[in-house]
Amino acid sequence: DAKTTQPPSMDCAEGRAANLPCNHSTISGNEYVYWYRQIHSQGPQYIIHGLKNNETNEMASLIITEDRKSSTLILPHATLRDTAVYYCIVRVDWGNTPLVFGKGTRLSVIA
Amino acid sequence: DAGVIQSPRHEVTEMGQEVTLRCKPISGHDYLFWYRQTMMRGLELLIYFNNNVPIDDSGMPEDRFSAKMPNASFSTLKIQPSEPRDSAVYFCASSSSGTSGSYEQYFGPGTRLTVT
Repeated sequence: DAKTTQPPSMDCAEGRAANLPCNHSTISGNEYVYWYRQIHSQGPQYIIHGLKNNETNEMASLIITEDRKSSTLILPHATLRDTAVYYCIVRVDWGNTPLVFGKGTRLSVIA
Repeated sequence: DAGVIQSPRHEVTEMGQEVTLRCKPISGHDYLFWYRQTMMRGLELLIYFNNNVPIDDSGMPEDRFSAKMPNASFSTLKIQPSEPRDSAVYFCASSSSGTSGSYEQYFGPGTRLTVT
């Protein structure tokens, strides 16, 4: 079973920051937080991951609370192409384990 | 790199027929995963391989499903006989246990299977 809780849907105006929350209150010390997204009719795409520090890459930023029980994915300037289902996944750090997907958040970016 | 390649992209078959889905992972990747996506159950793991050896097939729904990886560049998922409830999108993903440590999985475009 998925170990994360996400809102089912969110809207965001184009050009604004999209902040997608995720609760993972039972996360263990050796588990990372991963984010993937799935654009309609495509396979899931990796976005970013982190353990306890905030992370940033060319796609997004990941903010993890100090107690690690929740995190927020930030898309700084959302575009229409960011419309997708976003999945927050917790995963042990010791190797190539399968991904356990929950229901995710359907983000709609509106012009 | 062309990414993960899956074929066919769409498959329509009649109940009782054999269906074979194919996957070519990214060159150099040593892990291969098969996932299935339905409206009811979402994305779920069927089976995964490491160095061509099946590691966990507990997600395979029943004996009608089988998967093989005869070499590092090819895998098949076979359903025999197929049933309407097998209708879904089947994704293949690959990843590397290299030094990057991110264990990022790269997904193919999926095969949309419809069993009538």
